[in-house]
Amino acid sequence: QKEVEQNSGPLSVPEGAIASLNCTYSDRGSQSFFWYRQYSGKSPELIMFIYSNGDKEDGRFTAQLNKASQYVSLLIRDSQPSDSATYLCAVLTYNQGGKLIFGQGTELSVKP
Amino acid sequence: SAVISQKPSRDICQRGTSLTIQCQVDSQVTMMFWYRQQPGQSLTLIATANQGSEATYESGFVIDKFPISRPNLTFSTLTVSNMSPEDSSIYLCSVEGTGANVLTFGAGSRLTVL
Repeated sequence: QKEVEQNSGPLSVPEGAIASLNCTYSDRGSQSFFWYRQYSGKSPELIMFIYSNGDKEDGRFTAQLNKASQYVSLLIRDSQPSDSATYLCAVLTYNQGGKLIFGQGTELSVKP
Repeated sequence: SAVISQKPSRDICQRGTSLTIQCQVDSQVTMMFWYRQQPGQSLTLIATANQGSEATYESGFVIDKFPISRPNLTFSTLTVSNMSPEDSSIYLCSVEGTGANVLTFGAGSRLTVL
């Protein structure tokens, strides 16, 4: 089992729809979770981080964390073509001395 | 958050040669991280560079292949030695940004080995 897994893409949604990106992790002791966005040919940039169970909202973005299920998701409301990118889930895992492990990324395409 | 400058932004190299990537940060940072992103893949941590001590390498990465220098709190270099086509990747420097464990990345160095 990979340490951090994301649902395989590409994910295609129409403009204005909700995009749902999912991520599971294997280290039950993980405490910090991050979502990065990476445009093609660019470096990753942080969208959100979440530490506590539940929802965290920032504008059109909502991160959801369920530690019991070892599951973290990112919802993008009112998706825009400019949201088209690869979204990387990252988990701070202590299994290997506390380092940030990235998932393989989910490519999102928002169609006008 | 910190501003990171990386160079070269891209390079094409011959098999068997070495290339050094530089990473300059506009503020002092304790730890700098080097990641590799192979084509179509996610980010893999190569090593963590602390000033004043040897870098800590992740499983699968060795100092002879990826020597790292960290001469001060704002600068680090990663050398990719004796390159092969399998080393063709984007190499990214990163530092902790606005919060603990929140990483800010440089623009990356896209390396192609022929």
